[in-house]
Amino acid sequence: QQQVKQSPQSLIVQKGGISIINCAYENTAFDYFPWYQQFPGKGPALLIAIRPDVSEKKEGRFTTSFNKSAKQFSLHIMDSQPGDSATYFCAASIPGGKSTFGDGTTLTVKP
Amino acid sequence: DSGVTQTPKHLITATGQRVTLRCSPRSGDLSVYWYQQSLDQGLQFLIQYYNGEERAKGNILERFSAQQFPDLHSELNLSSLELGDSALYFCASSVGDEGNQPQHFGDGTRLSIL
Repeated sequence: QQQVKQSPQSLIVQKGGISIINCAYENTAFDYFPWYQQFPGKGPALLIAIRPDVSEKKEGRFTTSFNKSAKQFSLHIMDSQPGDSATYFCAASIPGGKSTFGDGTTLTVKP
Repeated sequence: DSGVTQTPKHLITATGQRVTLRCSPRSGDLSVYWYQQSLDQGLQFLIQYYNGEERAKGNILERFSAQQFPDLHSELNLSSLELGDSALYFCASSVGDEGNQPQHFGDGTRLSIL
């Protein structure tokens, strides 16, 4: 059963634009919501993460927002650059270690 | 560089065979996680070890087993291999045993079953 639904599956954005990726979850036991960036041939790398007691967290051009009532969280990439072209995964973890990942979003930033 | 080392990078074998994938966690990390990434199923959590003990289990097949050794490195054993086991296998590590901590991923082992 898919517990974390990620959308869109793919995204094309012009350089300088805003990239937005959304995730929705079902299990209210999740208490940690990280975002990972993966380049071809590499493992996922932690980009930013948020916990349910925070509504928004920003690190540079990357912002993640959390809506507990809607059971949704999102990633915004401001001023998107060609170097941001990668696959992005959202994930959700329960206490005790088990993580569930979304299916990924392939982002292409056109120059 | 995440500090997590996985070997080998590529592995080609035949159906019915057995292979062992190895992972060395980041210095200071006590937890090791194993994931399977295939084209049609994304990243699937397999199993977690913390300081040598199994801590959480995901969608790991009975043909697969793992262990974490006293030096904290971990091995994932895959036996009676099937074509559908072809995938990228990632190891990640974190400091503690709770899920709400950053996980640092290695660059994976690509397993191809012929």
